[in-house]
Amino acid sequence: DQQVKQNSPSLSVQEGRISILNCDYTNSMFDYFLWYKKYPAEGPTFLISISSIKDKNEDGRFTVFLNKSAKHLSLHIVPSQPGDSAVYFCAASVGRNRDDKIIFGKGTRLHILP
Amino acid sequence: DVKVTQSSRYLVKRTGEKVFLECVQDMDHENMFWYRQDPGLGLRLIYFSYDVKMKEKGDIPEGYSVSREKKERFSLILESASTNQTSMYLCASSPGTDIFFYGYTFGSGTRLTVV
Repeated sequence: DQQVKQNSPSLSVQEGRISILNCDYTNSMFDYFLWYKKYPAEGPTFLISISSIKDKNEDGRFTVFLNKSAKHLSLHIVPSQPGDSAVYFCAASVGRNRDDKIIFGKGTRLHILP
Repeated sequence: DVKVTQSSRYLVKRTGEKVFLECVQDMDHENMFWYRQDPGLGLRLIYFSYDVKMKEKGDIPEGYSVSREKKERFSLILESASTNQTSMYLCASSPGTDIFFYGYTFGSGTRLTVV
């Protein structure tokens, strides 16, 4: 049973426009949410996170929105740049301590079109 | 710059071989993890360890074992490699507390092909 779902395997966005990547989760106990970015032949890198006490966290061009009632989060990238082309993984955790593993979604491949 | 280093970027092994994938981190992290990444399946947790000589099964441990004799090193062992173990293998580490702020730090991955 998938606890973290990324229903869009891929997404294409024009350079300069907004990219919106979506993620749904089923476990209401999740309190922490993270996004990772992965280039081919490289390991994923941590991008941005949000805790359930917030509904928005912003870091430069990247903003994550959390809707707890809908069990939905999204990552907005504005403006999209060619270097943003990568696979993005949504992830969630029940807590923030060593025993709380991060659960990953299957990923969404983002293509930024010139 | 802190790092998780995986010993090989690409490996080709024969069916039935015993395969060792090595991972070393220099961040003094307590936690270490092995994942495999396959198209359409995302990141799947194989094994993890919260301390030296400690190991826990992840979601897909069958056909794998691990070893953590030192804090900085976490090895993944394929006892008898099979073609369905052809995959990208990713090692990760995290501090003992507050994964929220730091997340996991991943290595660059090992692309294993079993022929």
